[in-house]
Amino acid sequence: AQTVTQSQPEMSVQEAETVTLSCTYDTSESDYYLFWYKQPPSRQMILVIRQEAYKQQNATENRFSVNFQKAAKSFSLKISDSQLGDAAMYFCAYRSALGAGSYQLTFGKGTKLSVIP
Amino acid sequence: NAGVTQTPKFQVLKTGQSMTLQCAQDMNHEYMSWYRQDPGMGLRLIHYSVGAGITDQGEVPNGYNVSRSTTEDFPLRLLSAAPSQTSVYFCASTYQGSYGYTFGSGTRLTVV
Repeated sequence: AQTVTQSQPEMSVQEAETVTLSCTYDTSESDYYLFWYKQPPSRQMILVIRQEAYKQQNATENRFSVNFQKAAKSFSLKISDSQLGDAAMYFCAYRSALGAGSYQLTFGKGTKLSVIP
Repeated sequence: NAGVTQTPKFQVLKTGQSMTLQCAQDMNHEYMSWYRQDPGMGLRLIHYSVGAGITDQGEVPNGYNVSRSTTEDFPLRLLSAAPSQTSVYFCASTYQGSYGYTFGSGTRLTVV
């Protein structure tokens, strides 16, 4: 079974600064997907960014980028130019690419990000 | 609007009561799942379905039942509510070949 670990329960960042959230995972599979989800106080789960394991290039979505290290099984999220609206809980998640596990997401426990004005 | 609709948004139950959390999607997604979210635990999979008539257990299935008679609906039943089932419940759906999931807005359930 796959596991996802987020070692930072809480983090804070000054507005306009950059912050990096950490995520490590454990799997024996070679083909999979990794995600970062944002959950604001509204409770809605919002997909921030995804990474396919077969791609070496790190994914980028505007101010959000990832550092994907497949050999180290590490998948960190960098938020640049932090904004007040970035304050939320962030979850790292894993999804297999094949088989029954491809329908399921395995989540980390989350990192609560606060943005200081 | 297309998406995943969960009802109710909030519910308070007494220990031992039963209830059904409703989940419906209008995107013709084959795959639907139920997760529960507890503080400090992330989201954990309760049950999932890969199509009408096909369901399977996830990580934390005890105390919950599901069925999938149509592609659109995937209700979650609590047979005899317990305080340990106090949680926020999310329904999510996806389709083969898609990377992401569409989540409902969640149901906050309190069992007293």
